[in-house]
Amino acid sequence: DAKTTQPPSMDCAEGRAANLPCNHSTISGNEYVYWYRQIHSQGPQYIIHGLKNNETNEMASLIITEDRKSSTLILPHATLRDTAVYYCIVRSSGAGSYQLTFGKGTKLSVIP
Amino acid sequence: SQTIHQWPATLVQPVGSPLSLECTVEGTSNPNLYWYRQAAGRGLQLLFYSVGIGQISSEVPQNLSASRPQDRQFILSSKKLLLSDSGFYLCAWSGAGSYGYTFGSGTRLTVV
Repeated sequence: DAKTTQPPSMDCAEGRAANLPCNHSTISGNEYVYWYRQIHSQGPQYIIHGLKNNETNEMASLIITEDRKSSTLILPHATLRDTAVYYCIVRSSGAGSYQLTFGKGTKLSVIP
Repeated sequence: SQTIHQWPATLVQPVGSPLSLECTVEGTSNPNLYWYRQAAGRGLQLLFYSVGIGQISSEVPQNLSASRPQDRQFILSSKKLLLSDSGFYLCAWSGAGSYGYTFGSGTRLTVV
């Protein structure tokens, strides 16, 4: 699976949009971009995933660049409960692709 | 709907004692099952995964073992715990009906 690069930490004011970037310049054609988050002392939580089109769900939006070498997770109105470590993961959807490899992620702090 | 149960939530065990952590999944069949560990201040490390009953793949050599006696049951064990086995242990599943991985609430193990 391709490697991802994320900033180690970010701050965001409560109520503002949080934009979390991720670089995945070696992504291949059959690899999806997944985002998870881990709130302190809890298991990681799936947020969203996409292949090449932008995606939106009730939690967030995922913007993937046209060349697919980077993406941005957008939390439109950050709340204090969104403080967590956010992981960007690139993973193949092919048979035998069982591993989900977590990097160090971005620690997002939402500030009142 | 699918749910994943993991217990106990916390555990304090002496060095040299045995370990058994259990994870069960409900609401799906033939899930892929995973055990992850997160040491204090560190990232998530995949320990074992299973694609079917009795099928276990180990990702790192260690003092632990895993077993899958039933389709939706995954057990993490050790015969003799080491201090270095302390950490946050997470069970997860993937498969039909889920996006990506769904994690349990975790077990915080402290070996003293």
